[in-house]
Amino acid sequence: ELKVEQNPLFLSMQEGKNYTIYCNYSTTSDRLYWYRQDPGKSLESLFVLLSNGAVKQEGRLMASLDTKARLSTLHITAAVHDLSATYFCAVDSNDYKLSFGAGTTVTVRA
Amino acid sequence: EAGVVQSPRYKIIEKKQPVAFWCNPISGHNTLYWYRQNLGQGPELLIRYENEEAVDDSQLPKDRFSAERLKGVDSTLKIQPAELGDSAVYLCASSLDSMGYGYTFGSGTRLTVV
Repeated sequence: ELKVEQNPLFLSMQEGKNYTIYCNYSTTSDRLYWYRQDPGKSLESLFVLLSNGAVKQEGRLMASLDTKARLSTLHITAAVHDLSATYFCAVDSNDYKLSFGAGTTVTVRA
Repeated sequence: EAGVVQSPRYKIIEKKQPVAFWCNPISGHNTLYWYRQNLGQGPELLIRYENEEAVDDSQLPKDRFSAERLKGVDSTLKIQPAELGDSAVYLCASSLDSMGYGYTFGSGTRLTVV
């Protein structure tokens, strides 16, 4: 069974500083997704990483994938209040089933 | 383009009562998924459809849960009878194909069983 672990589970960020969220998974996979979820809302797709070494950036967020280490990171540059949300990574277990991490709840303070 | 539409948005029922959730996927998306998200956790897959066929229902508690996707478009998820532990958000998602590229999630139905 594919297990996905995120850390930290809670992250209090100071505006303007940089932070990283880590996503480890237990079995081989070439597809990893990052989602954002605001309270009471659905999941918004942020990134789809499809190969080893993939790096994608959008605004202050950058995601990368190391399939050999079974590790993905979501890097936040110069945090701003609008980034407060819960971030999930999800891994495709190669049988078309997404397994999600527990989520990282991010709060950005002034 | 309309996204994945779910209804109702909220539902409160007493335990042992039946409940049903409805999902309309993005037009042309052949693959449809139902996920359950418990409070403070990530979503977990309940069932996956390819057109009208349920191709993965291994995580669906079949004693009380059922689902259908008639004509390969809309889908309904039913719980009968509901238990307190079924309180969760039920998310529907669709994708263009079984590779899962371009998953789109609906807004979810928040079920509270009292």
